[in-house]
Amino acid sequence: AQKVTQAQTEISVVEKEDVTLDCVYETRDTTYYLFWYKQPPSGELVFLIRRNSFDEQNEISGRYSWNFQKSTSSFNFTITASQVVDSAVYFCALVTGANSKLTFGKGITLSVRP
Amino acid sequence: DSGVTQTPKHLITATGQRVTLRCSPRSGDLSVYWYQQSLDQGLQFLIQYYNGEERAKGNILERFSAQQFPDLHSELNLSSLELGDSALYFCASSPRGGQGTGELFFGEGSRLTVL
Repeated sequence: AQKVTQAQTEISVVEKEDVTLDCVYETRDTTYYLFWYKQPPSGELVFLIRRNSFDEQNEISGRYSWNFQKSTSSFNFTITASQVVDSAVYFCALVTGANSKLTFGKGITLSVRP
Repeated sequence: DSGVTQTPKHLITATGQRVTLRCSPRSGDLSVYWYQQSLDQGLQFLIQYYNGEERAKGNILERFSAQQFPDLHSELNLSSLELGDSALYFCASSPRGGQGTGELFFGEGSRLTVL
């Protein structure tokens, strides 16, 4: 079975603060893929990143960075110098193999105050 | 804009009724996925079609059915509706068949309210 845990449910920060969103996953498969999606207030789900289980390199994209650690089964997401537009629900997701279903965590609601 | 179109955006209906949600995938995408988002269950995978054929099944109720047509658009049919079916239904598409092979492009969702 596969499972994604996002223990934080709601986070509130002031603009320009850094914030880290935690994601812990469970799977017995050695091949799997991890994702982060963003759901802004408008409702659609926006893809942020995909990482496969064989690539533990951390990734940085502008103000966003991701820390993948297989030893702790974590795939954490950091937003540096947060902005009001970052306010959204963020989902971590896992899929094992190429054809399995995508399992989402419960999501973290991030509020960035001006 | 993801390129995935869902209609209707909002739908209010009564218990026991039947509704059809429609999804047009991105141009060229062969796979269509349906997800349900509710407060208590979160985001749950329902079903996937690839080039007209059912590819994977998730937590889809027997009262629900879906199909993908030759032009690759898809419809999700929900029947004998119950209050608990109230949710946001997402359609997503991808060029290939596997959910792990790349990002999914999600539509804006169809919000169903069952009264």
